[in-house]
Amino acid sequence: DGGITQSPKYLFRKEGQNVTLSCEQNLNHDAMYWYRQDPGQGLRLIYYSQIVNDFQKGDIAEGYSVSREKKESFPLTVTSAQKNPTAFYLCASLGGGYNSPLHFGNGTRLTVT
Amino acid sequence: GIQVEQSPPDLILQEGANSTLRCNFSDSVNNLQWFHQNPWGQLINLFYIPSGTKQNGRLSATTVATERYSLLYISSSQTTDSGVYFCAAIALNSGYSTLTFGKGTMLLVSP
Repeated sequence: DGGITQSPKYLFRKEGQNVTLSCEQNLNHDAMYWYRQDPGQGLRLIYYSQIVNDFQKGDIAEGYSVSREKKESFPLTVTSAQKNPTAFYLCASLGGGYNSPLHFGNGTRLTVT
Repeated sequence: GIQVEQSPPDLILQEGANSTLRCNFSDSVNNLQWFHQNPWGQLINLFYIPSGTKQNGRLSATTVATERYSLLYISSSQTTDSGVYFCAAIALNSGYSTLTFGKGTMLLVSP
């Protein structure tokens, strides 16, 4: 079955450490997105990528970095510069321009202490 | 960018009741999606509906693109319908597909 896989499901890190969240899709989608969700809040866009080797900052990109070396992979690094990294992170992909549904992974819950 | 507003922010229903959730968007969009986020955080796609009406079981959605709103109808609600409902507007912006989410409607269906 095609889909998006995010790993790990839960991640714990000490403050000051960089951490990378994995997002892999086998849907052959061009566009991929990273969102952050805080408790009781909506989704905020961190970064997005339309094609390989290209990505754009979203609304809250500070303290995060991404890469898009392969079509199927869009890892997100939460750096030590991110002031409040504890959150739920969701990865999504979109194929066929905009006339197809957005697909989400199951998310990664990051806790930084 | 596009602004997306959802109402109501919270809704409490008795099992069996019907409800209507609304999503207003500030500009023309290429597509509109409704999602249900379950208690485990999973986002389940309910409808992608740029215009017109779609139905899936007890759920249906209508988008009136010319008036920039979409409605999600839940009939005969069940406790498993509880969770947060998001709408997302998809638009082309300088060649990029951008997605904007509303803040969601938190639905609680009590037995």
